[in-house]
Amino acid sequence: GAVVSQHPSWVICKSGTSVKIECRSLDFQATTMFWYRQFPKQSLMLMATSNEGSKATYEQGVEKDKFLINHASLTLSTLTVTSAHPEDSSFYICSARDIFNTGELFFGEGSRLTVL
Amino acid sequence: RKEVEQDPGPFNVPEGATVAFNCTYSNSASQSFFWYRQDCRKEPKLLMSVYSSGNEDGRFTAQLNRASQYISLLIRDSKLSDSATYLCAVNYGQNFVFGPGTRLSVLP
Repeated sequence: GAVVSQHPSWVICKSGTSVKIECRSLDFQATTMFWYRQFPKQSLMLMATSNEGSKATYEQGVEKDKFLINHASLTLSTLTVTSAHPEDSSFYICSARDIFNTGELFFGEGSRLTVL
Repeated sequence: RKEVEQDPGPFNVPEGATVAFNCTYSNSASQSFFWYRQDCRKEPKLLMSVYSSGNEDGRFTAQLNRASQYISLLIRDSKLSDSATYLCAVNYGQNFVFGPGTRLSVLP
C-alpha cells in the first residue's frame, strides 16, 4: 500500500534554532499534503495544507512566517519551524492523499520536536 | 458547532465487551468517511473506510447515516490490543477534518 515517510522521527534543538521536517510520499504522487500538530492527549490540529508548486494554505492562528512550508515536488513537502521556542515542542505529523487511487489519507510516522 | 464531533470518552470496557462509538459531522457536502486508530505517541492509522451500505471487517463494523449526518463504529469481542484513541474523519473536496477522538481502554 501507499506509504508516507517522515523524517526525522525525533529532534531536540536549542531555543532560537530552526528545524526542518520532511514528508515524502514513497509510491504515489501527492499534489496536496497536510501538516498537523498534536499536543499530548489532545486531538490533531491541522496547521496547513501544502500544495505542490504553489503557496501553502495556513489555518487560522498558524503563523506562516514561523512555520515555513515548501512543496517543491509531487513527492516531498517540508515544514521548517523557524526560531523554535519551547512552546513549539509538539508532535508534528504530515499526511498525503493518494488521490489517483483510493483517495485514502496516509500519515507519516510523525516527528517529535523538543525545544530546550 | 465543531465540524466533526465524537463521543467524549474515555470508554473503559472489559475484555470481550462490545463497544460503539458515534461521530457526527456538520457539512452535508461531505463525501467520504473514515475511522482511524491512533496509539499513544504514534501517527493515526486507517482502520476502515465507511460506506453508505455499511461495512464490516472482522470484529469491526462501520455504519453511515447521511440523513442524520453521523457515522458509527462497533467493536465486538474487544481485545486488550484494541486500546487506543479512535478518530473519525470526514472528507469534502480536498479538506479532511478529524474529530477530537475517543479514547478506549480495554481492561483485563
